[in-house]
Amino acid sequence: DGGITQSPKYLFRKEGQNVTLSCEQNLNHDAMYWYRQDPGQGLRLIYYSQIVNDFQKGDIAEGYSVSREKKESFPLTVTSAQKNPTAFYLCASSKQGQRGTQYFGPGTRLLVL
Amino acid sequence: AQSVTQLGSHVSVSEGALVLLRCNYSSSVPPYLFWYVQYPNQGLQLLLKYTSAATLVKGINGFEAEFKKSETSFHLTKPSAHMSDAAEYFCAVSTGSSNTGKLIFGQGTTLQVKP
Repeated sequence: DGGITQSPKYLFRKEGQNVTLSCEQNLNHDAMYWYRQDPGQGLRLIYYSQIVNDFQKGDIAEGYSVSREKKESFPLTVTSAQKNPTAFYLCASSKQGQRGTQYFGPGTRLLVL
Repeated sequence: AQSVTQLGSHVSVSEGALVLLRCNYSSSVPPYLFWYVQYPNQGLQLLLKYTSAATLVKGINGFEAEFKKSETSFHLTKPSAHMSDAAEYFCAVSTGSSNTGKLIFGQGTTLQVKP
C-alpha cells in the first residue's frame, strides 16, 4: 500500500540535543512538507520541498533544518536552537498539479525531558 | 494574502443532529478550499475539496460543503451526526499555483458528539 510513514511515534529530547524525525513516502509525490501542530493553533508550516535537493522555509523555520536528498525522504532535524520543541509534527506530500491536496503521515510527538 | 478563519473552536452536537462547522476565507485569487479531519493522535485525512467546479462539494462519511463566494464561506455540514464523527476538523486554503500546493490552515474545530 502506498502512503507516508513517520518515525518514531514518540521522541524524547534532552536539553541541547538535536533530534531527527523521519518521513518517508512511496506515493511518488514530488512535494513534501513539515508542519508543527500545537493545541489551538492549527498547523504551521516549517519547511517544504517541491523537488529533490531543493527546499524552502515556511512560517516557523527557525530552530529547524531539513534535507531532501531522495524523492521519497524528507527528514526534519529539531536543533538545540528550537527552545520550545514540544509539539506534534506532521509530514505531508502532494503530487505536482494537484494544488493543495496533501496526504499526511501519522505524526511524531516530540517531548522534552 | 490568503487566510482562513474557523468560527468556534469547539462544537457539541447530539447524535443524529445536524453538524455545522463554519469556515470563512480570504483570498486574492480564486481559492481552492479544503476540509481535513484529524482523529486523536493521528495525521490528517482529506474530507473534501473545492476546486472551482461545482459549488456544493460532497465528501467522505456523508459530509458536504458549499462554496459561497459572496459570503467568502465554505461551511462543512452533515445531516446526522454519528459518534464516530467526533474529531478535530480543519479548513484550509491553497496558496499560489498548482505547482506549490501550499496550504494555510484554520485553527481547527473540535467536534464533540453526545449520545
